[in-house]
Amino acid sequence: SQQGEEDPQALSIQEGENATMNCSYKTSINNLQWYRQNSGRGLVHLILIRSNEREKHSGRLRVTLDTSKKSSSLLITASRAADTASYFCATAAGGFKTIFGAGTRLFVKA
Amino acid sequence: SQTIHQWPATLVQPVGSPLSLECTVEGTSNPNLYWYRQAAGRGLQLLFYSVGIGQISSEVPQNLSASRPQDRQFILSSKKLLLSDSGFYLCAWSPTGTAVGNGGANVLTFGAGSRLTVL
Repeated sequence: SQQGEEDPQALSIQEGENATMNCSYKTSINNLQWYRQNSGRGLVHLILIRSNEREKHSGRLRVTLDTSKKSSSLLITASRAADTASYFCATAAGGFKTIFGAGTRLFVKA
Repeated sequence: SQTIHQWPATLVQPVGSPLSLECTVEGTSNPNLYWYRQAAGRGLQLLFYSVGIGQISSEVPQNLSASRPQDRQFILSSKKLLLSDSGFYLCAWSPTGTAVGNGGANVLTFGAGSRLTVL
């Protein structure tokens, strides 16, 4: 079963705007990861945040984690048409299992 | 550097036919290996994972099986395909010893995927 649930399911914005995607999960986690998938391709790891961290930055990406609410958000600032893709959160509770959410489809209009 | 290869990229098979998807990893030893399935427009469902040769954990009881005959080879098989087996199959690996809970992060690197259509 899926651990994470992304919100919204789809998002359409203009180039230059910020895009915010949210992820909620159900059980305690050790870390939460965000991945990107271009249409018909494999997933690419973007950023990881550990359960004892609250915020992390990587380039135009900003990830927050609220373990009390069991939620995370991914912010992409100054979006570009090339950011058009599906974005997935993934949680790892223990061992070797990484469970993915259903994803948010982001469309950035040029 | 490490690379992951997955093939075939596209496959169209009749119902009841067998299936074999292969995945190999180069440039690392004893990787953790994974098979995920993605239905159209949906998230990823973990099917199998392996932490070593001959060690397979199954997540979802189904019409599929997995094998790891060599350290860096992971195979997904079926004896008789069903229509519901159609989907996008993704192989992934993570470095050995990165179990979450032991200080590891278990970051996955994915192959390009295999699109299976069962008719």
